[in-house]
Amino acid sequence: GQQLNQSPQSMFIQEGEDVSMNCTSSSIFNTWLWYKQDPGEGPVLLIALYKAGELTSNGRLTAQFGITRKDSFLNISASIPSDVGIYFCAGDKITQGGSEKLVFGKGTKLTVNP
Amino acid sequence: GAVVSQHPSRVICKSGTSVKIECRSLDFQATTMFWYRQFPKQSLMLMATSNEGSKATYEQGVEKDKFLINHASLTLSTLTVTSAHPEDSSFYICSARVGSSPQHFGDGTRLSIL
Repeated sequence: GQQLNQSPQSMFIQEGEDVSMNCTSSSIFNTWLWYKQDPGEGPVLLIALYKAGELTSNGRLTAQFGITRKDSFLNISASIPSDVGIYFCAGDKITQGGSEKLVFGKGTKLTVNP
Repeated sequence: GAVVSQHPSRVICKSGTSVKIECRSLDFQATTMFWYRQFPKQSLMLMATSNEGSKATYEQGVEKDKFLINHASLTLSTLTVTSAHPEDSSFYICSARVGSSPQHFGDGTRLSIL
């Protein structure tokens, strides 16, 4: 099935550092989403991208939807301890049956050392 | 806004028991709800897509008789794991959306079958 290639798998950084992670796919997506998941909880939506080339910010987070609609990156500036968690990219696609569903990347586990 | 509540958060029960998990959209009417399963250190795997008043659409490899989904209203969907066995132990997460808006996730249910 379709897959999103998300990298890196894990990151260990110092508080205050900037972080960048990205996702690529061989397929085109209508919408690209970034979620964060804390242990034992469900994913929380961070940023939604709808247009090719779109650059969107949410506080210290910035994400861009690639012009080809096949990739996206997420940047976190000036990281803080509460940024710890697993970040997932997800592409929203329309199936052959006409329904929409998300395809998830495998996640980037972020550890921030105080 | 866009709050999704999932209940219970944790279930521990004996093998052979049927378990029901509820997913509610608290402040919006969800046209579509989704059920995911997540194994430790892995990404979310879509099990089924559910539209209010119609039969759920199951992903390939997901047993519809094992995982019964009922979507009786625009704010409630239930997943029943019938005759659960230890291999059904997992983290189950629901999500809900309005139209083509991003999916918002519940906090998940940790199911442990002894």
